[in-house]
Amino acid sequence: NAGVTQTPKFQVLKTGQSMTLQCAQDMNHEYMSWYRQDPGMGLRLIHYSVGAGITDQGEVPNGYNVSRSTTEDFPLRLLSAAPSQTSVYFCASSSRDRGYGYTFGSGTRLTVV
Amino acid sequence: AQTVTQSQPEMSVQEAETVTLSCTYDTSESDYYLFWYKQPPSRQMILVIRQEAYKQQNATENRFSVNFQKAAKSFSLKISDSQLGDAAMYFCAYRRIQGAQKLVFGQGTRLTINP
Repeated sequence: NAGVTQTPKFQVLKTGQSMTLQCAQDMNHEYMSWYRQDPGMGLRLIHYSVGAGITDQGEVPNGYNVSRSTTEDFPLRLLSAAPSQTSVYFCASSSRDRGYGYTFGSGTRLTVV
Repeated sequence: AQTVTQSQPEMSVQEAETVTLSCTYDTSESDYYLFWYKQPPSRQMILVIRQEAYKQQNATENRFSVNFQKAAKSFSLKISDSQLGDAAMYFCAYRRIQGAQKLVFGQGTRLTINP
């Protein structure tokens, strides 16, 4: 089925470890974003991309890195995990068509101990 | 910067009754989109309804409708004939038309349906 695929669904990291959350979409969407969800704070934008080779920072970018070498893929890298990065992470994509909402992946629950 | 506020952290309603979830937003833009997303316990984010700011007519999707008051910057969601499957977190979100078109979310409202 078409959509946004995120892996892994669950992950436990030790403080200081690094990892990459994977995100892929097969809808040829131009826009892709990463959000983190924390209790009582809704979803906050980490990084976003408006097309291959173009990325920019969102509201809470510190400690995260992204790249977009293809239209389909938008991985999120945690450089040195900290307990404050314990959260649920969502990848989302959208067409440039202004009528679209974003399509979300199923999320990754990350725990940093 | 745009902001979205949901002032009701939790709401509850009896099954088959009607409930309204509130959302206010702040923007200097004249044209934009507003959305309501549902997040059930499965964690999946599901688009419930969207509203185009330049349209005066309120959007409806089956049992879900909105009351869009542009001057007041208010965007409430009404759920009619509430069902047990409506229990979820509900997020209001804003998206610009121009520029990067990022989604800005409210804090969410947890809706409980009482049988």
